[in-house]
Formats: sequence, C-alpha cells, structure tokens
Amino acid sequence: DTEVTQTPKHLVMGMTNKKSLKCEQHMGHRAMYWYKQKAKKPPELMFVYSYEKLSINESVPSRFSPECPNSSLLNLHLHALQPEDSALYLCASSLGLAGNEQYFGPGTRLTVT
Amino acid sequence: DQQVKQNSPSLSVQEGRISILNCDYTNSMFDYFLWYKKYPAEGPTFLISISSIKDKNEDGRFTVFLNKSAKHLSLHIVPSQPGDSAVYFCAASQGGKLIFGQGTELSVKP
Repeated sequence: DTEVTQTPKHLVMGMTNKKSLKCEQHMGHRAMYWYKQKAKKPPELMFVYSYEKLSINESVPSRFSPECPNSSLLNLHLHALQPEDSALYLCASSLGLAGNEQYFGPGTRLTVT
Repeated sequence: DQQVKQNSPSLSVQEGRISILNCDYTNSMFDYFLWYKKYPAEGPTFLISISSIKDKNEDGRFTVFLNKSAKHLSLHIVPSQPGDSAVYFCAASQGGKLIFGQGTELSVKP
C-alpha cells in the first residue's frame, strides 16, 4: 500500500470559517509533510513532522495550524484565511527525513471566498 | 533565489524517441535528488531518485544522471510514450526538505 489519502478533495470556505484538512497513510512512514501549490508553480513546503513532532515550520502564518495526532494522521487546521490562500494543499509522507522518497496524496483544492 | 531550476518550461518529443529533461541546482549541500511526474489536479507521483554519491540510477525506461561538478541532473525517458505526457518536477533534498524546480511540461506526440 503506497497510498496517501487526503480529505476533502475540494473545500470552499469563507474568510471567517474554521475548517480542517486531513491526511492519512498506512505505510509505516514516520515523516509527514504539508505543501502548498499554486497554479503553474511547484509545491512549496509548509510543515514537516518527524515521529509526530513538528520538525520544520517554513515561516507559515499562524492561520495555518498543523497537528499530528498519531503516526498515521496529519491535520491542517485553517482559520481566518485570505483569498490568496486558495491553492492545492498536498500532504506527503516518507519513511524518514533523510534521503527518502516522499509519497504525495492527491491534494485538497481549497478556495477561500 | 531559486536553488533548483528547470530552464525549459516545455518539451515536445515524438513517440518512441528519447525525452531528456534537465535540472540545475546551486546548493552543494543537497544530498538526494528526485524526479516527480504530475498530472493536473493530482499530487506528484514519485518516479526515480539518486543519491548525491552516485552518478546514475536506472529504473526501466527512466534513467537519472547526476553531474555534481556541474550541479546538473537529467532524466532520460526512452522510449517515450504518449502516457508520459505530464509536468515533470525535479526536486532536491536536504534534511527532509524538498525544494522543487519550476517543472517542465512534456508532450509526447504519437
């Protein structure tokens, strides 16, 4: 099983809403990641979790709040987003941090109105 | 400051021929390099990788070459097939951080 799943596939939210994106993997991977991808651009790293602890935060605004409840799950809590936050949000996982392939989920297409 | 660059936004190749996608990087501390393929509205799919201590890695129709002195890597696809048409991203890794190039859109014509 080399699958990373993400829910929901699409999400439309207002600027005052609170919502969460979910990511799950059952490959026994101990590192999980959140990326943001805008149209015609490469994915940009947001957060890295290693062994359920936040390892890297790429200076992401606090309106994005990650959470890793256990080794298989990764959430991204969203609050008071701006229209420019509209993007494809990708989750990935890898066996460990160094020298390992990252496997990506299909993404959540987020639109902030 | 782009640490990973793919200077060709697009490439068109005839079916059966070789596709060569190029990538340059600036940071000599990168320890691992990867190629991903991406279709619209999907997540990137891992294709092939290479450690910085090697100069070639082959997997079926895909071969990645690394030239450390030139800080350059390339992905060869041979023979190219119409199903290979997608955006290809190279990525460089350092301590778990993946930095992606801008992508090259490959079109393989029948």
